[in-house]
Amino acid sequence: QVQLVQSESELKKPGASVKVSCKASGYTFTNYAVNWVRQAPGQGLEWMGWINTKTGNPAYAQGFTRRFVFSLDTSVSTAYLQISSLMAEDTAVYYCARDVTTAGFDSWGQGTLVTVSS
Amino acid sequence: QSALTQPASVSGSPGQWITISCTGTSRDVGAYKYVSWYLQHPGKAPKLMIYDVSNRPSGVSSRFSGSKSGNTASLTISGLQAEDEADYYCSSYTGSGTLFGTGTKVTVL
Repeated sequence: QVQLVQSESELKKPGASVKVSCKASGYTFTNYAVNWVRQAPGQGLEWMGWINTKTGNPAYAQGFTRRFVFSLDTSVSTAYLQISSLMAEDTAVYYCARDVTTAGFDSWGQGTLVTVSS
Repeated sequence: QSALTQPASVSGSPGQWITISCTGTSRDVGAYKYVSWYLQHPGKAPKLMIYDVSNRPSGVSSRFSGSKSGNTASLTISGLQAEDEADYYCSSYTGSGTLFGTGTKVTVL
């Protein structure tokens, strides 16, 4: 069955970087885009952007253009989210999600909690 | 872009039906047929319930239905059940990406 499995929770200090992985299985990885969604504690969902798994081209939402990088390793069907210069405000659960239709995400990773604290 | 507007909370008794609205603009909800709805239980990942305004993914109960009129989309849950108690989010294509709603907490009385 279709599955997206994300890396474990991370605790980082301000100024550090983090890389979250999202490993896909159960389908052809390059047939569907991967989106990234952020959910701060007690808050709603926020779309961060997506990456075209055929071309590797990323597209970022407003507010996620400077310190956020999406990348792929198609040889292992894995997408990555890297965040640099971490700030306390980056503390959130980060989800990857498969794009089954335009703006419709039918399969989600379990989420990765990134905590930024000194 | 601001989030799509949803009521903060909606409640209903078991067996009743409820409707959750999702209001956007002519640049998102009103412009495209790409509105989706998600259910999220506490501590869990969101689950797709409706896509392309009114389509249900395989395995989603027919008690869930979606519609759209102008700049407002709606999710209706009929025959409310205890397991429907959760947060619900709408989303819409904007022409350059996806915009989520503010979220609605559904309480089953």
